[in-house]
Amino acid sequence: GAVVSQHPSRVICKSGTSVKIECRSLDFQATTMFWYRQFPKQSLMLMATSNEGSKATYEQGVEKDKFLINHASLTLSTLTVTSAHPEDSSFYICSASPITDTQYFGPGTRLTVL
Amino acid sequence: KQEVTQIPAALSVPEGENLVLNCSFTDSAIYNLQWFRQDPGKGLTSLLLIQSSQREQTSGRLNASLDKSSGRSTLYIAASQPGDSATYLCAVHDGSSNTGKLIFGQGTTLQVKP
Repeated sequence: GAVVSQHPSRVICKSGTSVKIECRSLDFQATTMFWYRQFPKQSLMLMATSNEGSKATYEQGVEKDKFLINHASLTLSTLTVTSAHPEDSSFYICSASPITDTQYFGPGTRLTVL
Repeated sequence: KQEVTQIPAALSVPEGENLVLNCSFTDSAIYNLQWFRQDPGKGLTSLLLIQSSQREQTSGRLNASLDKSSGRSTLYIAASQPGDSATYLCAVHDGSSNTGKLIFGQGTTLQVKP
């Protein structure tokens, strides 16, 4: 149990376009979902925390207008990278939490912006 | 502000050796501490979770300890195997908020040579 999926697993896009990444909890309801990004050989950095039906809380330094997060249901959160640039290329990982002290992680999405 | 540090950054050992990975954190007010495994280009697999009231957890060849007062945790891997090669991440559940935020260390990349 406690499976989290992400789609797509890999995406390549041109600079200036927008990319949407989906995070789904497959067998549980996630009251909270988290979005992380990971640069090569670096650790995970929390970008934002989202609760179903409310606005996401962004970490300091993360542009909320660039990284749009929607948590429309208890099983789905989306991250949209708007007007993507090469520096946005990274590995994006989501996690979903049914309760506050447990997070289940997705397999990640590799974004490459040309 | 909570900071998590992992030492060493990389480790190479021959198969069969026992090894210890270290994690330290600056603020002892944590809810729990978790060890994850990450294979290249993949998401995170939770290995062990230690609650703040616990001192250790064991799963198979893995043993994690927690000394909250000194801000340290260790992950002990017994009889290492080539399949253990991966990056190991330590994360603390931030005790300063009830949002479930995890703060990650930089990771230790382990290579077990046959």
